[in-house]
Amino acid sequence: LAKTTQPISMDSYEGQEVNITCSHNNIATNDYITWYQQFPSQGPRFIIQGYKTKVTNEVASLFIPADRKSSTLSLPRVSLSDTAVYYCLVGDTMTTDSWGKLQFGAGTQVVVTP
Amino acid sequence: DTEVTQTPKHLVMGMTNKKSLKCEQHMGHRAMYWYKQKAKKPPELMFVYSYEKLSINESVPSRFSPECPNSSLLNLHLHALQPEDSALYLCASSPPGKNYGYTFGSGTRLTVV
Repeated sequence: LAKTTQPISMDSYEGQEVNITCSHNNIATNDYITWYQQFPSQGPRFIIQGYKTKVTNEVASLFIPADRKSSTLSLPRVSLSDTAVYYCLVGDTMTTDSWGKLQFGAGTQVVVTP
Repeated sequence: DTEVTQTPKHLVMGMTNKKSLKCEQHMGHRAMYWYKQKAKKPPELMFVYSYEKLSINESVPSRFSPECPNSSLLNLHLHALQPEDSALYLCASSPPGKNYGYTFGSGTRLTVV
């Protein structure tokens, strides 16, 4: 299983861009990178998933370099409601053998202030 | 329906009680999961059901007993719990054959007294 390393916390002001980098040096060929957001006392919410290069949706962008040993979640123009814990998960969810083998790392607490 | 529904949202139980947590999804997902999350910690995997069969048990004590009656339902039966079992219990599901993310429920906040 690919182990992930993220910063423990990041602070930002409203309107700024927040970039969270996740290291996953032993990522396997079939592994995807998935980011989740979690608010207190709620379940994690899927944000974005990617395999290589860049993925963008209405919420965030995910940048993955060619060696795939790290990835960066970019949250544009954050607001107070983006204050949450962000988790980077790496694994292969395609085959039934891999189900349940995604593991949450410690996550990054993002605090957005006015 | 794109949700995972967990009931109850809150549960307080004594150490001699028997209770059950319920999880339901109607997205056609064939993998369902139970996670346990303590305060300020990441979710920890407890059980995985794949096509209604238990495929992973992460060495969970027998006082936690999972059950998957059908492809839409997942239960977690609780008996003789300890105060340290107090946590947020999260259910999740994922679709077969696709590299999509997990869908999590909002969880059941369990307090053992």
